[in-house]
Amino acid sequence: GAVVSQHPSWVICKSGTSVKIECRSLDFQATTMFWYRQFPKQSLMLMATSNEGSKATYEQGVEKDKFLINHASLTLSTLTVTSAHPEDSSFYICSAGAAGGRDTQYFGPGTRLTVL
Amino acid sequence: DAKTTQPPSMDCAEGRAANLPCNHSTISGNEYVYWYRQIHSQGPQYIIHGLKNNETNEMASLIITEDRKSSTLILPHATLRDTAVYYCIVPREGTYKYIFGTGTRLKVLA
Repeated sequence: GAVVSQHPSWVICKSGTSVKIECRSLDFQATTMFWYRQFPKQSLMLMATSNEGSKATYEQGVEKDKFLINHASLTLSTLTVTSAHPEDSSFYICSAGAAGGRDTQYFGPGTRLTVL
Repeated sequence: DAKTTQPPSMDCAEGRAANLPCNHSTISGNEYVYWYRQIHSQGPQYIIHGLKNNETNEMASLIITEDRKSSTLILPHATLRDTAVYYCIVPREGTYKYIFGTGTRLKVLA
């Protein structure tokens, strides 16, 4: 149990385009999902908290208009990187927990984004 | 900032126990300690968590000191597949957010 998937696992796009990444909890309902970014040889950095049916909350320094988050159902959250640029190239990882995030979080396998 | 500190790296011989320490001196009474590991280019994998008592599961054991200011993750018989970065996390109280520190890079040697 407690499986979280992400799609796609990798994506390459041209500068200026938008990319959507999906995060799904496969065997449990997740009222809260989290999005992280990880640059090479660095730790995970929390970007935002995604709450089902309400607006996401963003960490300081993360542009909410650039990283659009939608949590439309209890099993799906999406992260859209708008007008992507090479500096947005990174490993994007989501996590999901039941009980409004108070429970153990389970992580997806990650999505590697490369912006040319 | 992360509420935990860990040594940046450790080596362990295959088949031996790996003991990974974590300091969380500012932990408060209701905050849990979680351990995850990340193998290269994958999402973090949940290992174990605890509040006060020592915990054991099929992957590892977690020893928490009586004052709860530090803990140790024990992999009883390390294998080469246990080579990973291990993160000790104390979620932000009230928000349940995970703030990752730098973790410990464990290398299991043949």
